[in-house]
Amino acid sequence: EDKVVQSPLSLVVHEGDTVTLNCSYEVTNFRSLLWYKQEKKAPTFLFMLTSSGIEKKSGRLSSILDKKELSSILNITATQTGDSAIYLCAVEVGAQKLVFGQGTRLTINP
Amino acid sequence: SQTIHQWPATLVQPVGSPLSLECTVEGTSNPNLYWYRQAAGRGLQLLFYSVGIGQISSEVPQNLSASRPQDRQFILSSKKLLLSDSGFYLCAWSVGPGNQPQHFGDGTRLSIL
Repeated sequence: EDKVVQSPLSLVVHEGDTVTLNCSYEVTNFRSLLWYKQEKKAPTFLFMLTSSGIEKKSGRLSSILDKKELSSILNITATQTGDSAIYLCAVEVGAQKLVFGQGTRLTINP
Repeated sequence: SQTIHQWPATLVQPVGSPLSLECTVEGTSNPNLYWYRQAAGRGLQLLFYSVGIGQISSEVPQNLSASRPQDRQFILSSKKLLLSDSGFYLCAWSVGPGNQPQHFGDGTRLSIL
């Protein structure tokens, strides 16, 4: 059975801290790994990673995939209260199928 | 640009009643369409996906069904809701055969009483 596991499940930090969120996977047909941010409703797309070792960056957020370790990390530097959300990791395992992890609930305190 | 609409935003239904949730996509042709359910505190579970009109693949056998009567319309239905059908239902779309991100609607929060 395809499986995606995120850690930690919950994280509380102070504004300005740097956080690292983890995602590991065990799947039979890896195509890509995606990160989403979910605030109140719709998850919004952050990154798609297909190649190992190539960092993707958007402002204070960055992510990298390690296909040897079957994992990915999402880094957020200089966190702000607006970064508070659930961060979802998903692996594409076939042309149309995403398998999601449980999510990491990140809370940034002022 | 592409947009996705889901309605209703919230719904409270009694056990045993029918269900119809609708999702439409604008600004793209022949999208792949998806229905997910998110239980409280958990990740998203894929329920159905469709690569074209009338083509539905079911990922999880259960009390729900899906239909795609038009290119950009995706409907989630049930004849008789169960308590376990409560959850947050999300519709998503993508283009191409793969390696393209899925984009989500705002979801429907369904409570079964």
